[in-house]
Amino acid sequence: DAKTTQPTSMDCAEGRAANLPCNHSTISGNEYVYWYRQIHSQGPQYIIHGLKNNETNEMASLIITEDRKSSTLILPHATLRDTAVYYCIVRPRPGATNKLIFGTGTLLAVQP
Amino acid sequence: EPEVTQTPSHQVTQMGQEVILRCVPISNHLYFYWYRQILGQKVEFLVSFYNNEISEKSEIFDDQFSVERPDGSNFTLKIRSTKLEDSAMYFCASRRAPAGGGNQPQHFGDGTRLSIL
Repeated sequence: DAKTTQPTSMDCAEGRAANLPCNHSTISGNEYVYWYRQIHSQGPQYIIHGLKNNETNEMASLIITEDRKSSTLILPHATLRDTAVYYCIVRPRPGATNKLIFGTGTLLAVQP
Repeated sequence: EPEVTQTPSHQVTQMGQEVILRCVPISNHLYFYWYRQILGQKVEFLVSFYNNEISEKSEIFDDQFSVERPDGSNFTLKIRSTKLEDSAMYFCASRRAPAGGGNQPQHFGDGTRLSIL
């Protein structure tokens, strides 16, 4: 499975966009990029995933570079409740191993 | 929105005792997982389960661990003889079958905090 690299921590002002980067330079063509977050003492929460194209849902947008070696998760209007550890995970397509391999993620602190 | 539920939220057990952690996955999901997170450490994969059998397990998932889907709704993790190092948060996750070749995400419960004394 491809390895991901994320900054250890980031700050964001409440109401502003939070842009969380992830490097996955060894990603292969059939691997998806997943984002989860973990708010203190809760289970990981699914946010969004994508393969090649940019994706948007009610929580966030995912921008994947054309070479797929990096991606950015965008929370358009961060709130205090978005303070959490954000994990970028590369996962193979269906049929291969289904486990998620969590790294240490990025601790996003949203400041009032 | 349907969610994965886990019980109990906190379990305290004496070392050497058996413990069963329970999970009710989302109803139309077919793939089930257990993960654990020792305090201050990463979330670690334990086991995946599909079609009533284990599809993959990690090195952590040794002979002391077992999983079962005893009926159509529950998914359980049993630790036969608990050790101090089993103290952790245990998360259950479920996933539905992929549709149209697309990937489907795993959805997690809020976990059971297991404390071994």
